[in-house]
Amino acid sequence: DSGVTQTPKHLITATGQRVTLRCSPRSGDLSVYWYQQSLDQGLQFLIQYYNGEERAKGNILERFSAQQFPDLHSELNLSSLELGDSALYFCASSVSQAQETQYFGPGTRLLVL
Amino acid sequence: ELKVEQNPLFLSMQEGKNYTIYCNYSTTSDRLYWYRQDPGKSLESLFVLLSNGAVKQEGRLMASLDTKARLSTLHITAAVHDLSATYFCAVTVTGTYKYIFGTGTRLKVLA
Repeated sequence: DSGVTQTPKHLITATGQRVTLRCSPRSGDLSVYWYQQSLDQGLQFLIQYYNGEERAKGNILERFSAQQFPDLHSELNLSSLELGDSALYFCASSVSQAQETQYFGPGTRLLVL
Repeated sequence: ELKVEQNPLFLSMQEGKNYTIYCNYSTTSDRLYWYRQDPGKSLESLFVLLSNGAVKQEGRLMASLDTKARLSTLHITAAVHDLSATYFCAVTVTGTYKYIFGTGTRLKVLA
């Protein structure tokens, strides 16, 4: 158990809908990262937050947004969902913003029908 | 276009044998990471390599970094079945904090 929690574990929704994925980092970790893993695209870095501020942005679509709250949990919002958004979404956390060792959550499996 | 290439993509090896997985990247990088992923599971961080010539070892795995050649290797010594997993490398692009992942190497260790 990495200490990083993600909810929900599974999510099934329809095209055009909006969903929110939640991540709670390890106690004491200030950075949260979001990743997408799919058969088509492989593993992709989406975005990083550090202590509430956006730190780095990767291949995150404009339909997707994220934020980190004062209690350091983070949410990834996916809107106008398309079939191709079906994937595993992982979050990870680390102590600082230096991108050292990251601890990964169990992931949320999203299926868009 | 920035690329991170791993080879081989698939590796089937006998227990007790040694082998190396290669990770090549096409741009300058601040850091190189190795991860392990078991089937149906999340990712586990293995190594973070920060500088040219860096070498880190954990058990039967040893990772090294040559920034001039833009190459990292993950060497497996005397493989055991428990090492069967998919291994990913990733780099952060110098001057950014963006991660780019390799395609992964699926390792199967046969008894």
